[in-house]
Amino acid sequence: KAGVTQTPRYLIKTRGQQVTLSCSPISGHRSVSWYQQTPGQGLQFLFEYFSETQRNKGNFPGRFSGRQFSNSRSEMNVSTLELGDSALYLCASSLGQIDVGELFFGEGSRLTVL
Amino acid sequence: LAKTTQPISMDSYEGQEVNITCSHNNIATNDYITWYQQFPSQGPRFIIQGYKTKVTNEVASLFIPADRKSSTLSLPRVSLSDTAVYYCLVGVYNQGGKLIFGQGTELSVKP
Repeated sequence: KAGVTQTPRYLIKTRGQQVTLSCSPISGHRSVSWYQQTPGQGLQFLFEYFSETQRNKGNFPGRFSGRQFSNSRSEMNVSTLELGDSALYLCASSLGQIDVGELFFGEGSRLTVL
Repeated sequence: LAKTTQPISMDSYEGQEVNITCSHNNIATNDYITWYQQFPSQGPRFIIQGYKTKVTNEVASLFIPADRKSSTLSLPRVSLSDTAVYYCLVGVYNQGGKLIFGQGTELSVKP
């Protein structure tokens, strides 16, 4: 079956712009979680959505937001981009809420902010 | 607050067994221990998960002592393709439900 699909894979933005990233989970998976990965901070949890509701949120400013649609697809948005937002943004899906189950990650969207 | 500590890097040679230990002194009763593998520019991939004693699958074994304050991921007969970063995760509901990844262990397998 198809894996987790993230689009776009690569994108370049300038400071002050906004960006929207998309994640299509594995069919049947209801949970989507987002992560930011940078060389300095490693993998950091952004938020998790389950059945269109945000369940948990990491320690990121309000410029980072997301949503989940009825078909479980999810989008995350970063407004007023800063240089430090350059990172690999990873999405993961799981069958249920993120608990003891396996997370399936996409290949990520690499964002460069100039 | 559960937190994991792993060696930052390890070196090995092809054909050797590699053991990566993760410390998690504050593990909670209901926490599971999960290991992920990540190659450059890819998302992490699930390797193995366990709660206590020993778990084995087709790629690795996970050893968890009785006190559960640490765990050891064992990779038998590594190959060059096992060169990756390995993350140990404990539980999920830490810090109010945020999934915490540690720094990971960068494993380098040499010929």
